[in-house]
Amino acid sequence: GENVEQHPSTLSVQEGDSAVIKCTYSDSASNYFPWYKQELGKRPQLIIDIRSNVGEKKDQRIAVTLNKTAKHFSLHITETQPEDSAVYFCAASIGRGSTLGRLYFGRGTQLTVWP
Amino acid sequence: DAMVIQNPRYQVTQFGKPVTLSCSQTLNHNVMYWYQQKSSQAPKLLFHYYDKDFNNEADTPDNFQSRRPNTSFCFLDIRSPGLGDAAMYLCATSPDRGHLEQYFGPGTRLTVT
Repeated sequence: GENVEQHPSTLSVQEGDSAVIKCTYSDSASNYFPWYKQELGKRPQLIIDIRSNVGEKKDQRIAVTLNKTAKHFSLHITETQPEDSAVYFCAASIGRGSTLGRLYFGRGTQLTVWP
Repeated sequence: DAMVIQNPRYQVTQFGKPVTLSCSQTLNHNVMYWYQQKSSQAPKLLFHYYDKDFNNEADTPDNFQSRRPNTSFCFLDIRSPGLGDAAMYLCATSPDRGHLEQYFGPGTRLTVT
């Protein structure tokens, strides 16, 4: 099955700075890469996703980049705010066969934004 | 306007006492997933239903069972909870297997005493 590695496990930044979280995946058949934000005690919420036919996607302060050759994708948050503090999970999905639709999660990154 | 609803939000059970967690959805989605999430860990997929087709993960313990009586509802049964089963249990849905976005419910926090 797919193996997703996520780094760093913790990240502290000053308000207004940028934050970058990186993930790698193992299966070249993976073609969908979502990012979830989970605040303490709450549900994971999809914040942005990218498909393998796109190299970059941006939504206001959040962007995701994908390098299919290197099998890695990254989340970029600019102008961070204290409310960005949460655990962020990357995931990958293999778009074929019996695992179609199954998400393989990274271990998560605890982002803390200091005011 | 809650779309994926889980009940109860908090559940306390005794060691070995069967417990059932429920998930309902108003989205008419074909696929429903159950995840277990322990503290500071990623969600771990237990099983999923594609319509009535049940798909168990290879490493899901036999202690965990699931039922989906209709499109809207899905249940997670833990037959004999152990202390290691204390976790957040998350239900998620997706319109169809080929539709990759998953929508999570708020979760049920299970405590085993």
